[in-house]
Amino acid sequence: DTEVTQTPKHLVMGMTNKKSLKCEQHMGHRAMYWYKQKAKKPPELMFVYSYEKLSINESVPSRFSPECPNSSLLNLHLHALQPEDSALYLCASSIRMSTDTQYFGPGTRLTVL
Amino acid sequence: ELKVEQNPLFLSMQEGKNYTIYCNYSTTSDRLYWYRQDPGKSLESLFVLLSNGAVKQEGRLMASLDTKARLSTLHITAAVHDLSATYFCATRNSGGSNYKLTFGKGTLLTVNP
Repeated sequence: DTEVTQTPKHLVMGMTNKKSLKCEQHMGHRAMYWYKQKAKKPPELMFVYSYEKLSINESVPSRFSPECPNSSLLNLHLHALQPEDSALYLCASSIRMSTDTQYFGPGTRLTVL
Repeated sequence: ELKVEQNPLFLSMQEGKNYTIYCNYSTTSDRLYWYRQDPGKSLESLFVLLSNGAVKQEGRLMASLDTKARLSTLHITAAVHDLSATYFCATRNSGGSNYKLTFGKGTLLTVNP
């Protein structure tokens, strides 16, 4: 299994909703990442987990809450989002945090109404 | 702060022609990545270049790295329509907080019949 999977593929939510994005990999990678990508822009790093511990938070607003229940799963909990949070949310993983190629999942297209 | 500049940002080519995308970065880095992204899709890893003078080829794409000039190139040979996509280069600092990939703005390549 050499892929990163993400669910759902598309998500539409209101500003008062609570929803979660899910990411899964079974490559034995110990680093997992959340990125946000706006249209026609490069991905922007949000969070990095290394060995199931949050290592990096790139000053992301608290309405985004990451969680890493085990070495294969990464969640992103969403609450009270704003319309400007609408974007493609990409999950990635790598063998380790610092030096290895990151492999990206297909992304979740999020629309906040 | 590491900065990555790609040019051109937009490239319209005819099938069968050759062209080069350039990626300059501002500080010392130990590796350079090239990714491809189709519209609305995720990022696909194309190449990772690990040392000065490294050259990698896959099909009609060839990537090279000159660490002294802080320059990587992605050369397209005899372009075909299937190569139409956005191409990102990315790199990271070789020391310190080297977990973070910094992406160029991307080159939108359109190959016309």
